[in-house]
Amino acid sequence: GNSVTQMEGPVTLSEEAFLTINCTYTATGYPSLFWYVQYPGEGLQLLLKATKADDKGSNKGFEATYRKETTSFHLEKGSVQVSDSAVYFCALSGGDSGNTPLVFGKGTRLSVIA
Amino acid sequence: KAGVTQTPRYLIKTRGQQVTLSCSPISGHRSVSWYQQTPGQGLQFLFEYFSETQRNKGNFPGRFSGRQFSNSRSEMNVSTLELGDSALYLCASSLEATGIAEAFFGQGTRLTVV
Repeated sequence: GNSVTQMEGPVTLSEEAFLTINCTYTATGYPSLFWYVQYPGEGLQLLLKATKADDKGSNKGFEATYRKETTSFHLEKGSVQVSDSAVYFCALSGGDSGNTPLVFGKGTRLSVIA
Repeated sequence: KAGVTQTPRYLIKTRGQQVTLSCSPISGHRSVSWYQQTPGQGLQFLFEYFSETQRNKGNFPGRFSGRQFSNSRSEMNVSTLELGDSALYLCASSLEATGIAEAFFGQGTRLTVV
């Protein structure tokens, strides 16, 4: 079945550092790929998404590119801020399995220090 | 417009009791999904309802059940609570089936079983 693997955390960065959180997936066909963010005490918010190969999702300075050849959807941000401290989840849905529920990675906790 | 509302936000129950959690989706959304979030297992899919019909079900015991009403509001019920049921329960609503349309999450209900 579908699965998502993302890098273990926690990740601690200084403000203005470059961020990469790796995410790879297992699915047949072309699933839709998502990054969700969870701030302390909150539910999940969609950060960005991509629905076909080579699509780039972007939002709030974050970017991720759908790479079919490497089955990856790595999250990047050029300059992180303290306010980016949160838990980030990579997720997928669909592919040859049809309309399927979201399958999430384990989450990566990011802490940004001033 | 109002977001996804989950009630109650916090709940403490005793082993063996049962509990009902409620989710009011965004107005006009017909799909409601439920997820269990724990530190060890991460986010796990419980079930999805669309127009009052269960579309998908995750790998949870029969003690976990749900339903959706004609106004799209959903409830989930856990009977004979176990300590391991302590978790954050998240509800997500979307316009169409999850994976096709963006899923919007509520803040969750934190259930503690003692």
